[in-house]
This record gives sequence, C-alpha cells and structure tokens, in this order.
Amino acid sequence: ETGVTQTPRHLVMGMTNKKSLKCEQHLGHNAMYWYKQSAKKPLELMFVYNFKEQTENNSVPSRFSPECPNSSHLFLHLHTLQPEDSALYLCASSQDGSGGAREQYFGPGTRLTVT
Amino acid sequence: GQNIDQPTEMTATEGAIVQINCTYQTSGFNGLFWYQQHAGEAPTFLSYNVLDGLEEKGRFSSFLSRSKGYSYLLLKELQMKDSASYLCAVQDSNYQLIWGAGTKLIIKP
Repeated sequence: ETGVTQTPRHLVMGMTNKKSLKCEQHLGHNAMYWYKQSAKKPLELMFVYNFKEQTENNSVPSRFSPECPNSSHLFLHLHTLQPEDSALYLCASSQDGSGGAREQYFGPGTRLTVT
Repeated sequence: GQNIDQPTEMTATEGAIVQINCTYQTSGFNGLFWYQQHAGEAPTFLSYNVLDGLEEKGRFSSFLSRSKGYSYLLLKELQMKDSASYLCAVQDSNYQLIWGAGTKLIIKP
C-alpha cells in the first residue's frame, strides 16, 4: 500500500461512453499527477495539479478532462475515447510539484480497454 | 529533445549481481530516480541521486555521473522477487520527471 488508491482497477468502455477514473491520496501531499502507461513505452505525463491548480497539460486530447476538487482527490473524465487510448492510467502524488527532490507515490492504476 | 535510454530486458541468475544502465539527455538536471514496478502493480520508489557517486541502500545501489549523463542500478544477491521492471527517470529543469521505457529484469533459478 502506497497511500494512493485508484478506482476502478479495470474498465472496459465503448467509444461513445462517458466514464471517470478516481484517485485519492492519504499522504497529505499537495501535488497530484495523471500518467498513461502503454506497453514498452515510457510513462507519459498527462496532467499535474499543484495545490489544486493545474500546472501542466502535456498536449493531451480534450477527450481526457481532469478535475481536482481538493488536494486529496483527482479525477480523469473520459468521453469518446479511441482504441489507442487503451492503456494503464496511473495516478501519483508528491509533497509538492514546484521543485526539489520529490519522489512520487503511485496508485495501482486503472487498466482501461476501449472497444 | 529529451531522451532516457535503458535496455529493454535483462536476465540474471538468483544470487548473482546485475547492473541496469541508464543514459539520459535532458534539458536541465535536478536529480535521477529509480523505481521498481512489478507486473500489474504501481511503480515504487527505490533511489534518488543528484550528486555524482554511489548511493547504497541494502542490496540495491545507484550510481550517477552527471558529466557522462549516466546512471546505473546495481542489484546484489538477486532474489526471485526482484523480477520486475526498473524505471529510470530524470527530473528536468522544470522539476518534471522524464521517464525511460523501463528494463524488464528476469531472474532465473
């Protein structure tokens, strides 16, 4: 247990569906991250929130929409996804995202399959 | 562009020593991390290097040479549970992590 939980662990959705991924951290951290992990590829940073403010959006398509209502919770809203969006989506948190050596703590991920 | 290179896969024998290399070219450098990721699980933090030299933590050690853009993770007395992917990540000038694709380590009895 890393102190970061994600739900659901597995999700299968059609291209016309709307779903949301949830992440919660119990570590008192102020920065939260969404990553996409595809087989044999580096982790792709999608979004960064620092003190509830979005500080990074790495050219992610608008069919992915993040929401951070407070420092402990992070959502990723999904709509009209494509099959190539099938991947493991990882949430992470760190003490803060503004500088210094801050190791990130990861949740177990949501395995997403788009059919 | 920014690039992290590490071998795709390595195989080693239980009880032996293995060294996993990582080379990087990034815009700025604010430290290098190693993470372990077992199949189907979250990456977990192993080590952090920001100064040149060797950091030892039990059976695992991590080395950094900033002038060469090079690091390695050394695993001693290998155990079957060390079978996992090992991810190298560099913190760039904006303190964002740039990740390698990971090295899958297979331990054989």
